[in-house]
Amino acid sequence: GAGVSQTPSNKVTEKGKYVELRCDPISGHTALYWYRQSLGQGPEFLIYFQGTGAADDSGLPNDRFFAVRPEGSVSTLKIQRTERGDSAVYLCASSLGPQETQYFGPGTRLLVL
Amino acid sequence: GESVGLHLPTLSVQEGDNSIINCAYSNSASDYFIWYKQESGKGPQFIIDIRSNMDKRQGQRVTVLLNKTVKHLSLQIAATQPGDSAVYFCAENDRDYKLSFGAGTTVTVRA
Repeated sequence: GAGVSQTPSNKVTEKGKYVELRCDPISGHTALYWYRQSLGQGPEFLIYFQGTGAADDSGLPNDRFFAVRPEGSVSTLKIQRTERGDSAVYLCASSLGPQETQYFGPGTRLLVL
Repeated sequence: GESVGLHLPTLSVQEGDNSIINCAYSNSASDYFIWYKQESGKGPQFIIDIRSNMDKRQGQRVTVLLNKTVKHLSLQIAATQPGDSAVYFCAENDRDYKLSFGAGTTVTVRA
């Protein structure tokens, strides 16, 4: 079956701009996660959704970052007033539920100039 | 805070040999561990997992060993192939939904 998909695969933007990153989880997976991966590092947790609600957004670095999942499937990560330090790979993962195997998408490579 | 770490950042292995990748963790509350493989430009790919009530689990050409006494996790790859070249991450899930990753081990397979 289809895995987790993310769009766009690459995004180049200018400092101060607004970006949206999209994640389509595996069908039937109720849990969805966003992680951020800097070069040479492992992924770092950003936010977890169970269904439509953000059960834990403690990993979001500041209030410029926000994520939604209005219908319990597709999720969008939104970054306002982008900064050069936001440049990273943003990974989405989904699982049948918490404590189940998390399957990752290919990521969106964000570059803020 | 407690975190997952790896013993070696790089591993070079001859094609056909067995590979062993090690990982140390410090959170004694962690009860679920996962190994991921990440190739350049791709997302992490699930390899194998193990729960804390087990000490060994085998998959196709891979074996994960868990030693809770010394908080050590290892991934063994049998008959390493060129396609096994990648960065390998261990991750822990400490009774909730967050995965904590180490920095990874880069495996290079020599022909």
